[in-house]
Amino acid sequence: GESVGLHLPTLSVQEGDNSIINCAYSNSASDYFIWYKQESGKGPQFIIDIRSNMDKRQGQRVTVLLNKTVKHLSLQIAATQPGDSAVYFCAESTGFQKLVFGTGTRLLVSP
Amino acid sequence: DADVTQTPRNRITKTGKRIMLECSQTKGHDRMYWYRQDPGLGLRLIYYSFDVKDINKGEISDGYSVSRQAQAKFSLSLESAIPNQTALYFCATSDHGGRGNQPQHFGDGTRLSIL
Repeated sequence: GESVGLHLPTLSVQEGDNSIINCAYSNSASDYFIWYKQESGKGPQFIIDIRSNMDKRQGQRVTVLLNKTVKHLSLQIAATQPGDSAVYFCAESTGFQKLVFGTGTRLLVSP
Repeated sequence: DADVTQTPRNRITKTGKRIMLECSQTKGHDRMYWYRQDPGLGLRLIYYSFDVKDINKGEISDGYSVSRQAQAKFSLSLESAIPNQTALYFCATSDHGGRGNQPQHFGDGTRLSIL
């Protein structure tokens, strides 16, 4: 399969566990944040986004938490499934829709 | 995302050749982007366009050029390819920002190898 990062931080979990993927962002002026999932051989797939006027947003099995004080973003995946195995990227934007991506975290889910 | 189509999916070529990567979208979005992905570096923005004929440089535009002749199409060119341009290239689209930032939607990429 395609390797999108040879030395990515890796999170290994068991199927059914909850997963938490963390991201530290760099720009205190960033006002929009987004999480993507990238599977081997595919492009990044939108998961969930959050604006800076919020600190939590929930989707289907996913929750994003934003802590602007420490410039930290997290993605929580409930009841992780083998199909969740992928590389996850956070990205930030200060407007004009120019996204700055993090380097990614690989999530490995064992049956 | 099948609504954003990139061609070719794979390309191997030689140093000095001119290469064009194509992107087309059926999402009706105004905004289009080209990114490059290298291992350990995430995605980096090469060029972006907010409308037909609008072209803006991104973080790493040197050695690349783009063309946006129609809303649905955004092409990326390497005028004289060099080996360090070997990478995965992604096109993305987004709706206009009238309601604030909107998610970008990506194609499945072009793997470009320059020998």
